[in-house]
Amino acid sequence: DSGVTQTPKHLITATGQRVTLRCSPRSGDLSVYWYQQSLDQGLQFLIQYYNGEERAKGNILERFSAQQFPDLHSELNLSSLELGDSALYFCASSVSERGVGLGQFFGPGTRLTVL
Amino acid sequence: AQKITQTQPGMFVQEKEAVTLDCTYDTSDQSYGLFWYKQPSSGEMIFLIYQGSYDEQNATEGRYSLNFQKARKSANLVISASQLGDSAMYFCAMREAQGWSNSGYALNFGKGTSLLVTP
Repeated sequence: DSGVTQTPKHLITATGQRVTLRCSPRSGDLSVYWYQQSLDQGLQFLIQYYNGEERAKGNILERFSAQQFPDLHSELNLSSLELGDSALYFCASSVSERGVGLGQFFGPGTRLTVL
Repeated sequence: AQKITQTQPGMFVQEKEAVTLDCTYDTSDQSYGLFWYKQPSSGEMIFLIYQGSYDEQNATEGRYSLNFQKARKSANLVISASQLGDSAMYFCAMREAQGWSNSGYALNFGKGTSLLVTP
C-alpha cells in the first residue's frame, strides 16, 4: 500500500458525460500528479500540483481539468467524454515539487470506461 | 524531449534465475533521475528503485539492482532469484523537468516489458 488513495476504483459512463476522479496523497506529500494509462498511448503525464498551485502540464486535453484543495487532496475533472478517454487514471504524490531523491508513489488507479 | 526505450516487449525467466530488463534513455540534461516501477496484473504501480545521474554506485534494493552505465545511457534492471510473484509489467522512467521555469517535474515512461516467471 503506497498510502495514496483514489476513488472510485471503477467508473463506467457514457459519451458526452462528465466525471470527477478524486485523489488523496500520502501523508506529508505536497505534490500531486495525474497520469493516464491507455493501451495505445502508454503512461502519459497529465498535470502536477504542488501545495495547491499548478506546476506542470503534460498532454492534458482542454476537456480535462484538475485542482488541488487546501487539504491537499486533488480532483481530476473529465468532461465531454469520448470513447478514447477510456483508460486507467493514476494519481501519484511526492514530498517535494522537484522530486529530488525518491520518486513518486502511485495510487491504485481509477479505471474509466466510456460507453 | 527526453525519451525512454525498452526494447523487450516480453521476457521469460525460470524461477530462481536472474533476469535483466533493458532500458536506454536519451537526454541532454546533466542532472536526471531514473526509476523502475512494477505493475502487476492488479494494475497498481509499485516503485522499485531509483538512480540519480550523479550517483557513483549502482542502486540496489533487496533483489533489485540497477546496472547504470552513464556513457551508454542505459539503466538496466536486474532481478536476482526470480519469484513467481515477479511476473508483471516493468516500466523504466526518467524524471523530466516541466512547466514554467522548470518548477515542476513529471515521469516520462517507457512502453514497458512484460516479465513472466515460470516454475
